[in-house]
Amino acid sequence: SAVISQKPSRDICQRGTSLTIQCQVDSQVTMMFWYRQQPGQSLTLIATANQGSEATYESGFVIDKFPISRPNLTFSTLTVSNMSPEDSSIYLCSSSLGAGDTDTQYFGPGTRLTVL
Amino acid sequence: AQTVTQSQPEMSVQEAETVTLSCTYDTSESDYYLFWYKQPPSRQMILVIRQEAYKQQNATENRFSVNFQKAAKSFSLKISDSQLGDAAMYFCAYSPLLIKAAGNKLTFGGGTRVLVKP
Repeated sequence: SAVISQKPSRDICQRGTSLTIQCQVDSQVTMMFWYRQQPGQSLTLIATANQGSEATYESGFVIDKFPISRPNLTFSTLTVSNMSPEDSSIYLCSSSLGAGDTDTQYFGPGTRLTVL
Repeated sequence: AQTVTQSQPEMSVQEAETVTLSCTYDTSESDYYLFWYKQPPSRQMILVIRQEAYKQQNATENRFSVNFQKAAKSFSLKISDSQLGDAAMYFCAYSPLLIKAAGNKLTFGGGTRVLVKP
């Protein structure tokens, strides 16, 4: 499987500010996914990012709060805008990798965000 | 909408013993994928095992095996010969099967914490 990296690994931010999280895949992929994991909870899909088109957001998530970019087939960013303490979570990106393995998701190491 | 349920918030097992984690799901689809992921304290999500719904044979990966009961919509994970490194959160996940899919979004269960006692 290919490698997925994320930056930053963690950050502590003040409320009202924004943070952009980067996700890099070391092979070209069609779809990338962004998940949120609130403290002590499971993972919830935020949106699906396709290269060359607008991201598709899940119910409860909106573009103004979580704008996503997908400039090429190996990279995506998620911005958490106008942050509040409720945004404190781990944010993970994922993608399926490999020509013969398109139905298994692999994850980046996650970004732990704390909002004060 | 698909839902995935893990009814055991926490399971404890003695080192070298066996533990079974439960997972049930709800879907109207006939073809799909099921996964177990492990999340240690490092928070990295690690694929443990995957099962294609159209395969009757249960998947196995070394000490990890599943009991897939399609009619009952049940997908349990058995960890044999438990090791200290198996201690983690385990998440069951569902993914639809799409033609020409290049990665499908996952629906996760609430997770089961596995504690391994030395």
